Amino acid sequence: EAEVAQSPRYKITEKSQAVAFWCDPISGHATLYWYRQILGQGPELLVQFQDESVVDDSQLPKDRFSAERLKGVDSTLKIQPAELGDSAMYLCASSSGLAGGGGYNEQFFGPGTRLTVL
Amino acid sequence: AQSVTQLDSHVSVSEGTPVLLRCNYSSSYSPSLFWYVQHPNKGLQLLLKYTSAATLVKGINGFEAEFKKSETSFHLTKPSAHMSDAAEYFCVVSVPTNAGKSTFGDGTTLTVKP
Repeated sequence: EAEVAQSPRYKITEKSQAVAFWCDPISGHATLYWYRQILGQGPELLVQFQDESVVDDSQLPKDRFSAERLKGVDSTLKIQPAELGDSAMYLCASSSGLAGGGGYNEQFFGPGTRLTVL
Repeated sequence: AQSVTQLDSHVSVSEGTPVLLRCNYSSSYSPSLFWYVQHPNKGLQLLLKYTSAATLVKGINGFEAEFKKSETSFHLTKPSAHMSDAAEYFCVVSVPTNAGKSTFGDGTTLTVKP
């Protein structure tokens, strides 16, 4: 069964350092999402891609966070510099169909990357 | 704008008894509604979804949910809880604008006692 892959699964870093997370969506899925999930809360959308284009990054802290999906397949989320408040689970998800296609499509989630900033 | 409120942060039931997880939503457009489950150390998995067809939606593992527009609710139920149902459950709303952005509730932790 096809799955969304993420790496690393766990990352510990010190504040002010740079970190990067990688996501490989299910083959053929055009839409890719990055979420941040703080303990005790639901996932919050950081950025959404349709193929290689960003369609929503309104909640992405652009002074320190960046995301890319250069060939419209896998994606990288970067934080530089990391802050204590960035400690969270970072989830990647993918779905088929168009991002503007009504929001009807099921999202398939990866296992996440748990980031701890010391 | 859209929002989701999960009315209980924790629900505890005994094995074999009914489960009710409550979800209210707010949306300016006709919404799509989803329930996802998250087991420890695993990714979120779709339980069921409502997309303007039948108001009573059946999902996996015996779960179902009923869309009630007049009450703006989408509560999740299961007639008989199993130990394996213990997990975190998220109610999600999305609308056909804003690139179909999904908004998650804060989750309900379901505990199942033997």
